[in-house]
Amino acid sequence: DGGITQSPKYLFRKEGQNVTLSCEQNLNHDAMYWYRQDPGQGLRLIYYSQIVNDFQKGDIAEGYSVSREKKESFPLTVTSAQKNPTAFYLCASSDGQATTDMQYFGPGTRLTVL
Amino acid sequence: QKEVEQDPGPLSVPEGAIVSLNCTYSNSAFQYFMWYRQYSRKGPELLMYTYSSGNKEDGRFTAQVDKSSKYISLFIRDSQPSDSATYLCAIGGGADGLTFGKGTHLIIQP
Repeated sequence: DGGITQSPKYLFRKEGQNVTLSCEQNLNHDAMYWYRQDPGQGLRLIYYSQIVNDFQKGDIAEGYSVSREKKESFPLTVTSAQKNPTAFYLCASSDGQATTDMQYFGPGTRLTVL
Repeated sequence: QKEVEQDPGPLSVPEGAIVSLNCTYSNSAFQYFMWYRQYSRKGPELLMYTYSSGNKEDGRFTAQVDKSSKYISLFIRDSQPSDSATYLCAIGGGADGLTFGKGTHLIIQP
């Protein structure tokens, strides 16, 4: 089955901790994205990558970091510098170089800060 | 003015009704139009994609684009309780990639 997987489904973090969210795709897509979704806010772009070993900041990159060492994987680290990290995090991918292509989403990770 | 406007709802209709969901946009450079369906606590699922004015039909779903009015719609015929979800419009072709509406929460009453 082709698709995007995210793990874990639920994640709890203590204040001051860094946590890493996993995103893997087997669609052979070049581009990958991370979004944050809060109630009433819609989807906000954190980071995106159009090719291996390259990534760009989105609208709300502060307090987050990413890497793109493999085409299939685009992990997101939520650092202690992110002051309000509790949210639903969505990873997506698309098959084109342009960010206007259709994006396909994973099931999401719900992060809660204790 | 935000680039993509979408009424958050909730929109509640009886089963079997025709549902109309809408978005307006301000950037005339937008040229790709998508609708996603998102069930609670799940990732969005791509429902419809179009890049031209006019209608595109897929089963009970019809996507309509009016570029002259900068207005897009998603129609759902013979609505079912399983259609209850949040529907997000997404528009691309501008300088900043894909822009999402905030989503409309739809409730189909059995």
